[in-house]
Amino acid sequence: QVQLQESGPGLVKPWDTLSLTCDVSGYSVSSDNWWGWIRQPPGKGLEWIGYIYYSGSTYSNPSLKSRLTMSVDTSKNQFSLRLSSVTAVDTAVYYCARKPSAKGWFDPWGQGTLVTVSS
Amino acid sequence: QSALTQPASVSGSPGQSITISCTGTSSDVGDYVSWYQQHPGKAPKLMIYDVSNRPSGVPDRFSGSKSGNTASLTISGLQAEDEADYYCTSYRSSTVVFGGGTKLTVL
Repeated sequence: QVQLQESGPGLVKPWDTLSLTCDVSGYSVSSDNWWGWIRQPPGKGLEWIGYIYYSGSTYSNPSLKSRLTMSVDTSKNQFSLRLSSVTAVDTAVYYCARKPSAKGWFDPWGQGTLVTVSS
Repeated sequence: QSALTQPASVSGSPGQSITISCTGTSSDVGDYVSWYQQHPGKAPKLMIYDVSNRPSGVPDRFSGSKSGNTASLTISGLQAEDEADYYCTSYRSSTVVFGGGTKLTVL
């Protein structure tokens, strides 16, 4: 059974870099799947951030692409997100999820982690 | 503004059927529409993928369809536990687009 768990600081200062990791259990990140990030500002809808293949190929939301870095660590069976120069609008619950194909759905999702951008 | 348009809210009584629409352009609403259910404080859960397919464990009360530029999620035999937010999403030119979400209230 695939399980995903996000981890990282819950509070980030404005203009710093937000870094999150998603630990995957019950499944290999090196398998033929993509791995994605989605966020949800408090009280608002879902926003796609990006997704990555274990080989390093990535696709990103054009609105975030210039600030976004994604990576996969196969030795730790995890993947990561870094979002630079954050502001208050980046405050959100961040979810990681498996994406069985580039064109398909996200399933399952991690439980999500709230990241607040504030000084 | 979301690329996919959903009604902000829908409601129905227990036992009734409701339909949530998801409208975009022809390039947005293709063969890769999926639907997610999200209860308050919880992570989204996949309910429908590739327009009309149900993952294992999802009740057959949930069904998906598409006509032209509009995808739809239908829930028949509404139950109190179906009260949640529902989001559609699709794939377009290597990007993922989400609908704005629909709050389902079971009266």
